[in-house]
Amino acid sequence: AQSVTQLDSQVPVFEEAPVELRCNYSSSVSVYLFWYVQYPNQGLQLLLKYLSGSTLVKGINGFEAEFNKSQTSFHLRKPSVHISDTAEYFCAVSGPGAGSYQLTFGKGTKLSVIP
Amino acid sequence: GAVVSQHPSRVICKSGTSVKIECRSLDFQATTMFWYRQFPKQSLMLMATSNEGSKATYEQGVEKDKFLINHASLTLSTLTVTSAHPEDSSFYICSAGLGGGTEAFFGQGTRLTVV
Repeated sequence: AQSVTQLDSQVPVFEEAPVELRCNYSSSVSVYLFWYVQYPNQGLQLLLKYLSGSTLVKGINGFEAEFNKSQTSFHLRKPSVHISDTAEYFCAVSGPGAGSYQLTFGKGTKLSVIP
Repeated sequence: GAVVSQHPSRVICKSGTSVKIECRSLDFQATTMFWYRQFPKQSLMLMATSNEGSKATYEQGVEKDKFLINHASLTLSTLTVTSAHPEDSSFYICSAGLGGGTEAFFGQGTRLTVV
């Protein structure tokens, strides 16, 4: 079984400051890792994903994440946030093969960017 | 990228009535689609896996007679909430996988309010 823990339910940060949203996972098999963003009353938009290869993954909107297998983490970072980054962020995990489309989500982190 | 369209985006219905939500893959065929439910300020919970041409697979605790899933074609899955009650009010999101890929694509979600 897989699980995802997002350590912070809410993260307030001032505009143009850096931010890190933390995500830890557990799985008995190799995993695929994802970060999604959700704006109010909307679906999910993929920010970035880790499948294999380089552990530093760059995504859209200036976000990046680093896969750390020894710490089972996949933290999301952005060096300078904008007001428009205010949203809910979800970390998710899936497995290879037939289960790769079935995601297990963390509880989400609400990022609030303060002007 | 692949597009998944969900309709309606918002619906209000009376208690005791049934509501149908559609999930369409617009530019690809999806043999498997997934239905998630999101409670306010919480994460997405997988309800069921919809398989084209066969019965859906429900997660533990999900009432299959209340949440009817039909996947009649390779581009359409429907979720029908039968005899809806206020506790069924929630945000429902579908996703579909592009065959051979590793990423699931999400619909825009449906906000169901039962009054």
